[in-house]
Amino acid sequence: DTGVSQNPRHKITKRGQNVTFRCDPISEHNRLYWYRQTLGQGPEFLTYFQNEAQLEKSRLLSDRFSAERPKGSFSTLEIQRTEQGDSAMYLCASSLEKGLRSGQFFGPGTRLTVL
Amino acid sequence: AQSVAQPEDQVNVAEGNPLTVKCTYSVSGNPYLFWYVQYPNRGLQFLLKYITGDNLVKGSYGFEAEFNKSQTSFHLKKPSALVSDSALYFCAVRDGNGDTGRRALTFGSGTRLQVQP
Repeated sequence: DTGVSQNPRHKITKRGQNVTFRCDPISEHNRLYWYRQTLGQGPEFLTYFQNEAQLEKSRLLSDRFSAERPKGSFSTLEIQRTEQGDSAMYLCASSLEKGLRSGQFFGPGTRLTVL
Repeated sequence: AQSVAQPEDQVNVAEGNPLTVKCTYSVSGNPYLFWYVQYPNRGLQFLLKYITGDNLVKGSYGFEAEFNKSQTSFHLKKPSALVSDSALYFCAVRDGNGDTGRRALTFGSGTRLQVQP
């Protein structure tokens, strides 16, 4: 399978715990995006990387959230001191940006439940 | 700022009938427009995009969309609906300005399409 992969697919945690999600983009894609989707809503942008550089962060990304893409390949999204409001589907997408015309391809998502 | 409106939470159509899922957008520069479909417990699947050129864009699974600049709309259409088309559909926009346009997509709230047999 050469699509975007995300692990784990599901995560249940207790409030206050830290969690980390991983995204493996399509191999030749240089841009990687994180979105969050809550029930009944469209995905909301969190942050994106071009290669290893984090170029934009949404106001939704509080200081409890941190994302990395250390070698310009896979990325991790960490949430510290989770809150019940963090419960959502976390989606990763990647694209090969040539003249901004490429579409973004999404992974299956990681569903986080904070108890 | 960029935004997308999908005015219908749900669209119901009988199998074999044409379907339309509406989308209007707001963006400061040239719009790049996308449609995605989401099936239960699955990620978003890309259907089609408009970047430039012909206002009628053809995509996957027989879907097409018509870009209307004056009405700032990008409605999704299919001539003959299938039961298997039942899913959640999202319209998205990004600013096509190469220097200042946001790279991230802004999504609408989604429209649930229900095709009855």
